[in-house]
Order: sequence, then C-alpha cells, then structure tokens
Amino acid sequence: AQTVTQSQPEMSVQEAETVTLSCTYDTSESDYYLFWYKQPPSRQMILVIRQEAYKQQNATENRFSVNFQKAAKSFSLKISDSQLGDAAMYFCAYRTLNTGTASKLTFGTGTRLQVTL
Amino acid sequence: NAGVMQNPRHLVRRRGQEARLRCSPMKGHSHVYWYRQLPEEGLKFMVYLQKENIIDESGMPKERFSAEFPKEGPSILRIQQVVRGDSAAYFCASSPDRAFGGELFFGEGSRLTVL
Repeated sequence: AQTVTQSQPEMSVQEAETVTLSCTYDTSESDYYLFWYKQPPSRQMILVIRQEAYKQQNATENRFSVNFQKAAKSFSLKISDSQLGDAAMYFCAYRTLNTGTASKLTFGTGTRLQVTL
Repeated sequence: NAGVMQNPRHLVRRRGQEARLRCSPMKGHSHVYWYRQLPEEGLKFMVYLQKENIIDESGMPKERFSAEFPKEGPSILRIQQVVRGDSAAYFCASSPDRAFGGELFFGEGSRLTVL
C-alpha cells in the first residue's frame, strides 16, 4: 500500500519570503500522480499543483513549484513571495495510475502554514 | 459548471440517530469518493463508487456505515446509530473517469456533530 509522509506539522514564513514544504511517499509503482492540495479555514480542498511521475520536469504554477525526486520518492512544494492568503493546511497526495488498483487519493497528515507580516 | 455539491453543510445528531450525507458530483463525473477528516487530521479514504457499484470500500468501518451511488440522484453516505467518534468532516470528491487528469474535485464537506 502506498503511504505519504509529511514530517512538518507546522511551518511559518514571513510575507514575501519563500518556504518549502516537505513530502515523501512510498510506492512500488512507476506510474502515478502527486498533488499538493490547500485547505484554508473554509475547509474547501483546493488543488495547488500536480506532477505526473513520468515527467522529469518539475511542475510550476505561478508562485508554486515542486521539487520532484522520483528516485528519492520526494515531492516538496516551494511557495515563493508568500502572501497572507497562502496561510492554510497543505496536504500532499498520491494517486496510482495502475488500472488494476482502485484509484483513490492517499493523503499525508498535512502541514499547517502560517504567514506572518 | 457547478462543482461538487454536498449537503447538508452541517448536521447535528444525537447518539443513536442516523446521519445521511448527500453528494452530487460535477456534471459529467461518474466516479465518487468519500473521505473523512477528523479534527486536526488529514483526509482518510472511505469508499469509491461508480454508478450503482461500490468499487473500493476498504476504508469504510465494517458496521454502521454504508454508501450508495444510484443510477439517478446523488451519492449517499449513511451512518447508522451514530456515536461521538463519528463527529468529523465528511468530504465527497468526483472525477470524470478512473484516471483522467489525476485530479479529484472536492466538495466543501459536510460537518457532522454528534451530541
């Protein structure tokens, strides 16, 4: 079974600075997706960024980028120019592409990001 | 295109009562997933359904919990004889098919409080 580990329960960053959230995962599969979801106080789950495992190039979405290290099974999220609206819980998630397996998302335990002035 | 709709947003039940949570997936989506989030924890998978079929219920408690996704109408997560430990946020997500784009689209959740 796949597992996702987020070892940082809480992180803090000053506005306009850069912060990196860590995520590692365990899988024996070669084809899968990785995601970062954001959960603000409203509790809505919002997709931040996705990475296909077969792509070597790291995904980027505006101020958000990932460092995907497939061999190390590491998938960190970098937030540049942090804004107050970035304050939220961030969840790393894994989804298999193996059609013989139920395609559910497996989540990590989350990292709470605080953004200070 | 409306997103995933869940209702009720908040539900209060006394111990021993039944709770029914509804989820209408996004238009064109035929795959529904239910997740539970306990306070200060991540989302835990409960069940994955397609129309009229349960595909994976490996995360569902063996007793008191059931889910369905009928041919017509929303998906229903049913919790019988609720206990205080069932208090949580229950999220529904949908996708167009098994692996398209990878992403699951989430509703805003239903918060169940058991008194």
